[in-house]
Amino acid sequence: EAQVTQNPRYLITVTGKKLTVTCSQNMNHEYMSWYRQDPGLGLRQIYYSMNVEVTDKGDVPEGYKVSRKEKRNFPLILESPSPNQTSLYFCASSLYRDSHNEQFFGPGTRLTVL
Amino acid sequence: QKEVEQNSGPLSVPEGAIASLNCTYSDRGSQSFFWYRQYSGKSPELIMSIYSNGDKEDGRFTAQLNKASQYVSLLIRDSQPSDSATYLCAVRSSGGSYIPTFGRGTSLIVHP
Repeated sequence: EAQVTQNPRYLITVTGKKLTVTCSQNMNHEYMSWYRQDPGLGLRQIYYSMNVEVTDKGDVPEGYKVSRKEKRNFPLILESPSPNQTSLYFCASSLYRDSHNEQFFGPGTRLTVL
Repeated sequence: QKEVEQNSGPLSVPEGAIASLNCTYSDRGSQSFFWYRQYSGKSPELIMSIYSNGDKEDGRFTAQLNKASQYVSLLIRDSQPSDSATYLCAVRSSGGSYIPTFGRGTSLIVHP
């Protein structure tokens, strides 16, 4: 089954404790991206990647890191989480070839930073 | 800064009515337009995409695009309570990152 998976689905942590949210897709998509969604603010892009070893900042990259060592995986790293990073996070992927391709979203990770 | 604007709502319609959701965008170079539906706490799912001016129909859904006015809309005919969700408009340019810009979404409530 074609899908985007994220782990963990729910995470409660404390300020400053490094964490990683994994994202994996099995559709051989070039493009992957991370979004955070907050009430009233909609989906905001954190980072995106156009292919292996190619990443770039989105609209709200501060406090986050990403890596793209393999095509299928695009982990989101919070080196020192803070309470303002409490949010619902979505990973998404899409084909590269043209701008018509839809994005496929993972199920989301609800993160709470105390 | 590319912007996509949507009325946050909520838009409340009775069951069986037509729901009309609107979206405007700032980037004239935009080429692809998408409507996603998102239930509370769930991930967005694509329901319609449109690339050319005019109307595109798929079942009870019709997307309308007017590039001159930088306007895209979604009509839902015969609205059902199960259509109650937040509808996200997404716009993608032909160049650059190919990553779409999302609006903040419009909350739709269909009441029996």
